Amino acid sequence: GAGVSQSPSNKVTEKGKDVELRCDPISGHTALYWYRQRLGQGLEFLIYFQGNSAPDKSGLPSDRFSAERTGESVSTLTIQRTQQEDSAVYLCASSFYRLPYEQYFGPGTRLTVT
Amino acid sequence: GIQVEQSPPDLILQEGANSTLRCNFSDSVNNLQWFHQNPWGQLINLFYIPSGTKQNGRLSATTVATERYSLLYISSSQTTDSGVYFCAVQETGANNLFFGTGTRLTVIP
Repeated sequence: GAGVSQSPSNKVTEKGKDVELRCDPISGHTALYWYRQRLGQGLEFLIYFQGNSAPDKSGLPSDRFSAERTGESVSTLTIQRTQQEDSAVYLCASSFYRLPYEQYFGPGTRLTVT
Repeated sequence: GIQVEQSPPDLILQEGANSTLRCNFSDSVNNLQWFHQNPWGQLINLFYIPSGTKQNGRLSATTVATERYSLLYISSSQTTDSGVYFCAVQETGANNLFFGTGTRLTVIP
């Protein structure tokens, strides 16, 4: 079946602009995660959605970052008033909310803030 | 929070050689995954292995949860094995994976 898809694959934006990134999880996966990967580093957790429960926003770095998910489908990550330090690859993952909790990742969106 | 340490940070191998990558973690986990990040940035699932031993072709992995470590074995390495190998764990009660800093593997012909 289809894997996790993300769009756009690349985004270049000017400092101060807002951007919206999209994630389409694997069908049937109720859990969805957003991570950020800065150049040469590991992944940092941003936010987690599970079904209709309140999202776990504990990883969001500032109030400029927000995310939404409609039911158990598509999610969007929005970054307002982008800064140069927001430049990174943003990765989305999805999993079942039961054993095994194996997460599958999309190809990511490379964001460059100029 | 949980600490994840991977070693070695960098590894250069001649094609055909074998290697062992290590992941140490500081607390109990209910999920441990090994990923290969290829040169294009895609994270490829290698193993979901919170405990026990698994094998898939030239790769195998062992997690000893009671001693808080996991090992990834690569045998008869190929140039296509090059990339960064990440260990990621999910602490019991947490929602997310916590990633180590990775091992960068370069396989030379």
